[in-house]
Amino acid sequence: DAGVIQSPRHEVTEMGQEVTLRCKPISGHDYLFWYRQTMMRGLELLIYFNNNVPIDDSGMPEDRFSAKMPNASFSTLKIQPSEPRDSAVYFCASSLAGNYNEQFFGPGTRLTVL
Amino acid sequence: KQEVTQIPAALSVPEGENLVLNCSFTDSAIYNLQWFRQDPGKGLTSLLLIQSSQREQTSGRLNASLDKSSGRSTLYIAASQPGDSATYLCAASNDYKLSFGAGTTVTVRA
Repeated sequence: DAGVIQSPRHEVTEMGQEVTLRCKPISGHDYLFWYRQTMMRGLELLIYFNNNVPIDDSGMPEDRFSAKMPNASFSTLKIQPSEPRDSAVYFCASSLAGNYNEQFFGPGTRLTVL
Repeated sequence: KQEVTQIPAALSVPEGENLVLNCSFTDSAIYNLQWFRQDPGKGLTSLLLIQSSQREQTSGRLNASLDKSSGRSTLYIAASQPGDSATYLCAASNDYKLSFGAGTTVTVRA
């Protein structure tokens, strides 16, 4: 079975540009999570969805960040406008509530904002 | 807010030695605790998940214990190998949200 799929794997953009990160969770999983990893702050939860509905977005740093999950197999994290301090690795993870919510992570998107 | 701490931050051992990685958390009302491995520039690989009702979980050379009352979990890796070199992260789950420690970076010397 395919794991969590993220695209792109690497993104380099200039300050002020819009960035869209994509995630395909493991088929059948009912929870989807977006995390950000930086050297300074480690891994932080940004937002999570249950059955495509956002449950907790308290980790989203600013209004420049938004996330959607239009269906069970696709989610996006958008940053507009991007800033250099948004440079980080963004991970998507999915889980199944019936499996004790064991989370499985995608390979991540390394974002560099110049 | 759940706070997770991992000690030590880094560890270097000769091949064959047993590894002991520590994780502590402040809120004992956890749903589960998960241990991950992260290789440089890679994603996270789930190693073990301990349910809140369990005391330990084993997979091959890996054994993880959980003591909710003291807010501690320990990951044991037996007979370490150079391929075990990586960063190990623990994460405590509350209401489906994972709070991560900063990780322990392990180097196993051949």
